[in-house]
Amino acid sequence: DAGITQSPRYKITETGRQVTLMCHQTWSHSYMFWYRQDLGHGLRLIYYSAAADITDKGEVPDGYVVSRSKTENFPLTLESATRSQTSVYFCASRLAGDAEQYFGPGTRLTVT
Amino acid sequence: QQPVQSPQAVILREGEDAVINCSSSKALYSVHWYRQKHGEAPVFLMILLKGGEQKGHDKISASFNEKKQQSSLYLTASQLSYSGTYFCSQAGAAGNKLTFGGGTRVLVKP
Repeated sequence: DAGITQSPRYKITETGRQVTLMCHQTWSHSYMFWYRQDLGHGLRLIYYSAAADITDKGEVPDGYVVSRSKTENFPLTLESATRSQTSVYFCASRLAGDAEQYFGPGTRLTVT
Repeated sequence: QQPVQSPQAVILREGEDAVINCSSSKALYSVHWYRQKHGEAPVFLMILLKGGEQKGHDKISASFNEKKQQSSLYLTASQLSYSGTYFCSQAGAAGNKLTFGGGTRVLVKP
């Protein structure tokens, strides 16, 4: 049971480049989420999805794009990376009607 | 607006107790508590719903006072495994968007 995985685990990219972070879950959870975590801050919601083809903005969506064509995948794209997007990104999922979110291991992204 | 947690950090000896507070300026429908160990992903501890209910997870319990718009997490007879950063989060009415507090770092020493 793989659960929820993220790739890559570490990424270094340059300012202005496009980068996509992948998230995959094997539980068929309908809800999926993307958070970023910066030193001194808690987790901040970027985008979430209630089902395939249904996405909505979170607290800090600017500069990010998401899609969800399949239930199990929820990629996050930084269209033109900036240094302020250097962070640890966590993907999470949960069952509809359930409270518990299950987090992936995180992707540490550095934008130089 | 994110919930405010206090204290920001606490150091305990094994067996001691601690309380972490979480308060919000917005009406709370539910409070979710997570723990994150260093270098790992956050892990769900418990959810508290309106009604002031108290829940427990091992020797970790919590209360929710909706009138005061605050929740408290109680670490009782702390164990080394309790070390980590504890986050409270509040959900809106639909329950889909969680807003996390800044976290409370807990270090339990032998």
